[in-house]
Amino acid sequence: AQSVTQLDSQVPVFEEAPVELRCNYSSSVSVYLFWYVQYPNQGLQLLLKYLSGSTLVKGINGFEAEFNKSQTSFHLRKPSVHISDTAEYFCAVSDPPRGNEKLTFGTGTRLTIIP
Amino acid sequence: DAGVIQSPRHEVTEMGQEVTLRCKPISGHDYLFWYRQTMMRGLELLIYFNNNVPIDDSGMPEDRFSAKMPNASFSTLKIQPSEPRDSAVYFCASSFPAGLDEQFFGPGTRLTVL
Repeated sequence: AQSVTQLDSQVPVFEEAPVELRCNYSSSVSVYLFWYVQYPNQGLQLLLKYLSGSTLVKGINGFEAEFNKSQTSFHLRKPSVHISDTAEYFCAVSDPPRGNEKLTFGTGTRLTIIP
Repeated sequence: DAGVIQSPRHEVTEMGQEVTLRCKPISGHDYLFWYRQTMMRGLELLIYFNNNVPIDDSGMPEDRFSAKMPNASFSTLKIQPSEPRDSAVYFCASSFPAGLDEQFFGPGTRLTVL
């Protein structure tokens, strides 16, 4: 079964600074990878997804992630964060060909933006 | 569309009581998922349905938990009897036919068992 590791449980970042949230997954022949964001007291929503093709994936709110097969990583980045980016971020993986049917989530990274 | 609807948003009950959580998926979605989120265990998939049929319930913690989906627009998660360790936020999510689409999450039900 697939597994996901998010090494950083909390990441504090100054406003307008860049951020990288790390995600590593267990090795497999091929995977689908996702980043979800959870704002306080809300459900999760999709930021971006990698299914195939270009390894650089762009998502909503200026976020992007790069799929690195050799390092089994899918790190999330943003060049300049805003106060509104304060949230918890979850990396998730699924096994094709099941696609998005069943996701395995990481433990989450809490991003705190410092004014 | 109003999105995935869950009720109640908050539930406080006493140990031993029956608790029923409700979910209305987005119209047209034929996958429905129940998750539980706690500080200790993170986000766990409890069970999911496809076309109202339970596909995988391996995440259901024990027999005290049960889930049903009597039709395409309604699902319940029941805990009987409830215990303090069941306190968590329970999310329902739905998605389009299996493939590559995202899961749409409801706002969650925060359950506190005293």
